[in-house]
Amino acid sequence: KNEVEQSPQNLTAQEGEFITINCSYSVGISALHWLQQHPGGGIVSLFMLSSGKKKHGRLIATINIQEKHSSLHITASHPRDSAVYICAVRSRHGGSNYKLTFGKGTLLTVNP
Amino acid sequence: NAGVTQTPKFQVLKTGQSMTLQCAQDMNHEYMSWYRQDPGMGLRLIHYSVGAGITDQGEVPNGYNVSRSTTEDFPLRLLSAAPSQTSVYFCASSYSLSNTEAFFGQGTRLTVV
Repeated sequence: KNEVEQSPQNLTAQEGEFITINCSYSVGISALHWLQQHPGGGIVSLFMLSSGKKKHGRLIATINIQEKHSSLHITASHPRDSAVYICAVRSRHGGSNYKLTFGKGTLLTVNP
Repeated sequence: NAGVTQTPKFQVLKTGQSMTLQCAQDMNHEYMSWYRQDPGMGLRLIHYSVGAGITDQGEVPNGYNVSRSTTEDFPLRLLSAAPSQTSVYFCASSYSLSNTEAFFGQGTRLTVV
């Protein structure tokens, strides 16, 4: 079983819809990252969070440490939001919290 | 401030050839790492470094070497390329081992034929 599970794997939405992508993890973590990767492009960090909620523009990320679960929300989605969204957790391994473990990603397509 | 710069962006190698993927960052980050991204799988850690002169293996180190002679540079060497190393490679850096943002390069798409 993957240490980091994302759902759904694929998501298609109409422009303007509210989007939710979920991430569940099984290891003890010190932080969780949400990343964005456009087709053929590099990876950009959207959020890093260890508790509560963060907001940046139309993007909101929440985390529940007790339930080992995080969500990424996109309000008023736009075709330019079409990308792969990746959840990654920074775990504690052997006393050092260096290791990032990645989910397989969620491919989001927003149609005009 | 260029962030994390990877070169080349694309490369085709023949089986058995060697090459070096370059990674440089200008943010004075101590922690640098190399990942590979394959279809249907999450990014996997190849090697990482916690500072100049210090490197260690990640999950999938076989067939790859690294060195860290300066804070800025962290090259990844393929000693004898194999088709199984066809992948997209990402270099990443962060300021420290604690909870800091990770910065990624644009990726290198490598095909081994």
